[in-house]
Amino acid sequence: EAGVAQSPRYKIIEKRQSVAFWCNPISGHATLYWYQQILGQGPKLLIQFQNNGVVDDSQLPKDRFSAERLKGVDSTLKIQPAKLEDSAVYLCASSPTRGDYGYTFGSGTRLTVV
Amino acid sequence: AQKVTQAQTEISVVEKEDVTLDCVYETRDTTYYLFWYKQPPSGELVFLIRRNSFDEQNEISGRYSWNFQKSTSSFNFTITASQVVDSAVYFCALPGAASKLTFGTGTRLQVML
Repeated sequence: EAGVAQSPRYKIIEKRQSVAFWCNPISGHATLYWYQQILGQGPKLLIQFQNNGVVDDSQLPKDRFSAERLKGVDSTLKIQPAKLEDSAVYLCASSPTRGDYGYTFGSGTRLTVV
Repeated sequence: AQKVTQAQTEISVVEKEDVTLDCVYETRDTTYYLFWYKQPPSGELVFLIRRNSFDEQNEISGRYSWNFQKSTSSFNFTITASQVVDSAVYFCALPGAASKLTFGTGTRLQVML
């Protein structure tokens, strides 16, 4: 079974620029999550999708972050404009159904904002 | 609100030593799960174990063992005979509403030759 795919692996941008991350979950997994992991901290949930609908985006800074999951498969997370404090690893995870705790995480995208 | 505390920031051991990683949690839920994840330098979070709050029986799986004590809200993880490949950051996590995971700050384990 292929894992959760994320790209790019690394990204360096200047503040105020925009950036987008892509995630392809495990085939058939209905639930997709985006987590932000700042250096030295544990991951923090940004947004959770169930199929193509948003379940929880309470921690997503909506003034600059947006995410979509068209067709209930892959997902894109965008930051516009980026701030220095957005430097982090962005992890995507998927699970078969909502409430199923069998998360599988991707390798993440390491974002550096300079 | 849920909270997970991993007081150990970094641990260094020599290969073949045993090492225990501590986790203390807070939750108002009466039933819950607890997780341990491993994050190697590659960055991917690797699932290690999930325990149900109903099941306080401790378990051993190969070199890994877990000590879950509901009375003290602790869920400690032990690696026996550590190896260099065990070097990673280990996270304890507690799921809440809609499977949202609350992670601790992680413990960095360095296993040296």
